[in-house]
Parts: sequence; C-alpha cells; structure tokens
Amino acid sequence: AQSVTQPDIHITVSEGASLELRCNYSYGATPYLFWYVQSPGQGLQLLLKYFSGDTLVQGIKGFEAEFKRSQSSFNLRKPSVHWSDAAEYFCAVGAGRDDKIIFGKGTRLHILP
Amino acid sequence: DAGVTQSPTHLIKTRGQQVTLRCSPKSGHDTVSWYQQALGQGPQFIFQYYEEEERQRGNFPDRFSGHQFPNYSSELNVNALLLGDSALYLCASTRGGGWGNTEAFFGQGTRLTVV
Repeated sequence: AQSVTQPDIHITVSEGASLELRCNYSYGATPYLFWYVQSPGQGLQLLLKYFSGDTLVQGIKGFEAEFKRSQSSFNLRKPSVHWSDAAEYFCAVGAGRDDKIIFGKGTRLHILP
Repeated sequence: DAGVTQSPTHLIKTRGQQVTLRCSPKSGHDTVSWYQQALGQGPQFIFQYYEEEERQRGNFPDRFSGHQFPNYSSELNVNALLLGDSALYLCASTRGGGWGNTEAFFGQGTRLTVV
C-alpha cells in the first residue's frame, strides 16, 4: 500500500524568500503524485500533479515540484513566497485509477513579513 | 460552474447521536469520496461512491455509512457519535469512477463538533 511522509510539520520563511516543502512517498510502481493547499477554514485546492512524463511540473500560483524516483520524493518549490502563501500544504499519492488517494499529514507554512 | 458544495458548514452534536452530512459534486462529476480530517492531521479516506454503490472503504467502523443518489449527490451518515468523531469532513468529486489518477475537487467541508 502507498504512504506519504511530510517530514516538516511547520516551516517559517520570510516573504520574498524561496521555499521547498519536502514529500517522500512509498509505492512500488510509478505513483500519481499531487500537492494540495488548504487555507484556514477552507477545502483543498490542487496546486499541481504528476502522472508521467517531464519530472518537473508547473502548477498554479508560481509553484513547481520535481519527481525524483531514485529518492522517492516529490518536493514542492517556489522561488519567492508571498504572504498569501501562508497555509497548510498536503502531498498526496495515488496508486492508479481505481485506488484512493493517500494524504500526508501536512506542512503548515508561516510567512514572516 | 458550480463546484463541490457541502452542507451544513458547521454543526454540533451530542455524543451518541446520529448525523447526516450532504455533498453535491462538481457539475459533470459522478464520483464522490469522503474524507475525515482531524485537527492537525491530513485527510483520511472514509469511502467512495460511484454508480450509487460504495466502491472502496478506508479503515472506518460500520458506524460510518453513506449513500449516493441518482443525481450523484451523496450523504455521509455517522451513528452513535463519539467525541473522537469531531473533525472536518471533506467531500471530493471526480469523474467516471476515477480517483487515484485524476484531479479531485474538494468542497469547503463540514465542521462536526461532538460534545
């Protein structure tokens, strides 16, 4: 069965600084990988997804993520964060069309002015 | 284009009571999945409905049950509520029974508090 680990519970960065959120997954085959963002009191919004092909994927709001099979990782990056990026970020993995998506426990991002 | 809508947004129930939560999927979607998100945790998969049948189920007791209607909307029922059932309940919709390989659209959630 697949699983997801987000090693950082909280991360604090200054506005304008770069950001990298870590995600490691466990799955035997090529997974379907997702990053979702959740603002306080809100549902989840998809930032980006990886299904196949180019291992560097671009998402909304200036985010990107890189799939590294050798490291079983799918880290999320942004070159310059904005105060509005403060939220909780969830990495998720799917095993295929007929299987559920498993979420990590999330990383809460705090932005310093 | 209407997104995923859930009702109610908040409710408070007493331990031992029963609760029903409702979800209407995004227009054009026919598959609904329910997740429980406890405070400070990631969403945990409860079950998925497609073609009015439960297709998959996570590690939740039988107190959690659901239903999907011909118009694709869905209900989540929880019987004999426990304090530990307090959480944000999220509904997500997809199309054609797909799940693990497609983008899911989430509703705002229902915040359930059991006292």
